[in-house]
Amino acid sequence: DVKVTQSSRYLVKRTGEKVFLECVQDMDHENMFWYRQDPGLGLRLIYFSYDVKMKEKGDIPEGYSVSREKKERFSLILESASTNQTSMYLCATKGQIYEQYFGPGTRLTVT
Amino acid sequence: KNQVEQSPQSLIILEGKNCTLQCNYTVSPFSNLRWYKQDTGRGPVSLTIMTFSENTKSNGRYTATLDADTKQSSLHITASQLSDSASYICVVRTGANNLFFGTGTRLTVIP
Repeated sequence: DVKVTQSSRYLVKRTGEKVFLECVQDMDHENMFWYRQDPGLGLRLIYFSYDVKMKEKGDIPEGYSVSREKKERFSLILESASTNQTSMYLCATKGQIYEQYFGPGTRLTVT
Repeated sequence: KNQVEQSPQSLIILEGKNCTLQCNYTVSPFSNLRWYKQDTGRGPVSLTIMTFSENTKSNGRYTATLDADTKQSSLHITASQLSDSASYICVVRTGANNLFFGTGTRLTVIP
């Protein structure tokens, strides 16, 4: 079974703080993704990575950066958190038949 | 414009009843369509995948249909259970490997 874990289920941060969201997968998948999910908007792709140290912008990269130093770990960084970044953040990997395996999500609240 | 629209936005049904969720898409070129189930506070989990040549696929009490001509898919849930309460998300993949997410249908099954 594929396992995708995220460092926190719930997180509360203050405006202006630097925030790290970590994602770890155990299936040796090359492709990893970060999405945010908001009511009425569905999932939107922030960044993705197809290999170690490689990253590509998704649809809404502004205000975010990522880091992929090891194959199994993909981090999402909010350099200076803002209230409009309050959201559910989902990490995913891509396996066979292009199926995406999602982590449990991190609900981030920025106050 | 590539879009995936789901209806209804939300649905409440009695335990034991059947229901059908709809997904219409304008994505092109079409590669495949997946239905995901997302329990509250969890990441989405794949239920079925439909390719161009498939028009029906079942996974237990879940049956997905695809009409590639009209660009419509449906997810039929038979004899609903309380554990079916979740959001159901339709995701379409293009030939260029881009994903387009619907905003989901929130299903609530009540006793």
